[in-house]
Amino acid sequence: GESVGLHLPTLSVQEGDNSIINCAYSNSASDYFIWYKQESGKGPQFIIDIRSNMDKRQGQRVTVLLNKTVKHLSLQIAATQPGDSAVYFCAGPNTGGFKTIFGAGTRLFVKA
Amino acid sequence: GAGVSQSPSNKVTEKGKDVELRCDPISGHTALYWYRQSLGQGLEFLIYFQGNSAPDKSGLPSDRFSAERTGGSVSTLTIQRTQQEDSAVYLCASSLRGAPNNNSPLHFGNGTRLTVT
Repeated sequence: GESVGLHLPTLSVQEGDNSIINCAYSNSASDYFIWYKQESGKGPQFIIDIRSNMDKRQGQRVTVLLNKTVKHLSLQIAATQPGDSAVYFCAGPNTGGFKTIFGAGTRLFVKA
Repeated sequence: GAGVSQSPSNKVTEKGKDVELRCDPISGHTALYWYRQSLGQGLEFLIYFQGNSAPDKSGLPSDRFSAERTGGSVSTLTIQRTQQEDSAVYLCASSLRGAPNNNSPLHFGNGTRLTVT
């Protein structure tokens, strides 16, 4: 079946370093992807999205890269801070775009 | 403005009892979703409502699970004869636009943590 999945369940980085969280998807027709951040005890929060007609999009300290050739996207966080510690999910639509499928999530640990 | 609101935030129930979980989406959002998240796991799709269309119930794990959305706004997820494996966080989300070409992000509530003893 269709899937959206992250490569690593956990990632540990030093405060101030850059973080890169990777995600692969199976549906080549997917045209929209979203990254969410989930802190403990809360629902996922929207971080940034990207449409398939783009290969890069930047926000505040975050950049999403999309490689449609290999069906891969990544979330880059610049100058990682303790407040960035959370679980990060990539998500995309299923065939037909009727619902959003989530990856398993990567837990980011930021070491002081 | 107000975000997605879910109630109760926590629910403890005995095995075999029925429970109702409520979701108030963001005003004006046409699409509403329910997901389930077990401890340390990803999000499992349960059901999706879009406007007045028939809901997509393909993710409901058994016929003990049902959901309604009244007046295109508030939604209730009902679990009958709860089992211990139903223990999880139940998350509701709404989005401005739904299918097809669901190119708008989901806005989540903080979930209801259900514990079945």
